[in-house]
Amino acid sequence: NAGVTQTPKFQVLKTGQSMTLQCAQDMNHEYMSWYRQDPGMGLRLIHYSVGAGITDQGEVPNGYNVSRSTTEDFPLRLLSAAPSQTSVYFCASRHELAGGTYNEQFFGPGTRLTVL
Amino acid sequence: AQTVTQSQPEMSVQEAETVTLSCTYDTSESDYYLFWYKQPPSRQMILVIRQEAYKQQNATENRFSVNFQKAAKSFSLKISDSQLGDAAMYFCAYRSAVSGGSNYKLTFGKGTLLTVNP
Repeated sequence: NAGVTQTPKFQVLKTGQSMTLQCAQDMNHEYMSWYRQDPGMGLRLIHYSVGAGITDQGEVPNGYNVSRSTTEDFPLRLLSAAPSQTSVYFCASRHELAGGTYNEQFFGPGTRLTVL
Repeated sequence: AQTVTQSQPEMSVQEAETVTLSCTYDTSESDYYLFWYKQPPSRQMILVIRQEAYKQQNATENRFSVNFQKAAKSFSLKISDSQLGDAAMYFCAYRSAVSGGSNYKLTFGKGTLLTVNP
């Protein structure tokens, strides 16, 4: 198992450019999510998905779009990058909670994005 | 909404000694999980330990243990026999265990940067 993979590891954008951060998992997890990490802020949820075709907003969704066409992939799109989106982005996945069973959340290695 | 507070932005400890990192949380739920994550300079998020709220016994993983005080909503991490490799940012996190509730997300504290001095 590769676990949760993210590409790219680093990216520099200019204000107004668009890009897609890729996330994939090979564990057949139902839940996938995107977090951003800013200095002194911990990790905050951007968007999440409970299965293919189902997505919803987290705490800080503005400026980001997601879609989930397959169980494995959950890309995060920045349509018009802004300096405020400079951050480290983490993708995570886990199985769906069922019958009180604990399901560990797995994180990808992160993408460091800088918007100039 | 749930909140997680880590009141110590930075801590330091001498190698081989013991250090305790503090965390408090606020929730109206009775069924939840609490976690400590370690983030070394590689920035990988590593699960250190978890605690189920329904369990009275404090979780332990080798040199890492927690002091879970449910009534006080406190969840501290004790690292015994500290090693240089323990130096990292540590995050306390909360997740609902209620099916159909907010169990889709982890709520994180702001982190505590731990330095281990040789």
